[in-house]
Amino acid sequence: LAKTTQPISMDSYEGQEVNITCSHNNIATNDYITWYQQFPSQGPRFIIQGYKTKVTNEVASLFIPADRKSSTLSLPRVSLSDTAVYYCLVGDLYSGGYQKVTFGTGTKLQVIP
Amino acid sequence: DTGVSQDPRHKITKRGQNVTFRCDPISEHNRLYWYRQTLGQGPEFLTYFQNEAQLEKSRLLSDRFSAERPKGSFSTLEIQRTEQGDSAMYLCASSLAHVTGGNQPQHFGDGTRLSIL
Repeated sequence: LAKTTQPISMDSYEGQEVNITCSHNNIATNDYITWYQQFPSQGPRFIIQGYKTKVTNEVASLFIPADRKSSTLSLPRVSLSDTAVYYCLVGDLYSGGYQKVTFGTGTKLQVIP
Repeated sequence: DTGVSQDPRHKITKRGQNVTFRCDPISEHNRLYWYRQTLGQGPEFLTYFQNEAQLEKSRLLSDRFSAERPKGSFSTLEIQRTEQGDSAMYLCASSLAHVTGGNQPQHFGDGTRLSIL
C-alpha cells in the first residue's frame, strides 16, 4: 500500500474553506484515494473517493493532479462540527489490495469560532 | 439507519480476563474487518473476512486474539488473557466486494472501547 503524508494539524475559522493536502509519491496505477473523517469516540466516516481529476459530493471536493502524487480534500465553509481528524488513504480497489487499509495519524482540524 | 453495529460500546476488565466483542455489519456487505485504535493514532488493521472465510491476519493479531464470522454475517473478536497493552478502541468495518472485482469503501462502527485494569 502506498504511504501517505499529511499535516498533523490545521486550524481554520468558521465559514472558511479548508484544504488538506496529502502526499502519496509512490501511488500505484490502480490505487484509489479515499478520505475519512473521525470524531472522538466514533468510527471513521467515509467522506469522498477518487482516482483522478476532481470529484465532488455534497460534503467535500477532492482534487487530484495529473501525476496523482498528491491529493487535496476541500471542505467548503467549515463549521464547528467539522472539527475532527481527517485521514487520507491510498489503495488498490480492484486487485484485492484494498482489503486492508493503512491509516496514518491523520490531520486534526480545529475549527475556531 | 442500519449501519455497522458493535457491542458492547465499553468494556472494563481486569488483566488476565477474557473478553469478546461482537460486530454486526451492514446486511448486504460480504467483507468484514477488525481494527485497533489507540489514543492519537489511526486505526490499525487486524484481520478481515470475506463471507465466513478469514482471509488475512495482521502480525498485530497475537495468539491471544481470535476472530470468527461463522455464518458470514456477524463477527466476534475474542481476546484471551488480556494485558494492559490491549487497552484500545476496537473498530469493526464492512464493505461490499463485487464478484467481478472492485471494492466499495469501508463503513465503520463506533467501536468497543476496552480498558484493562
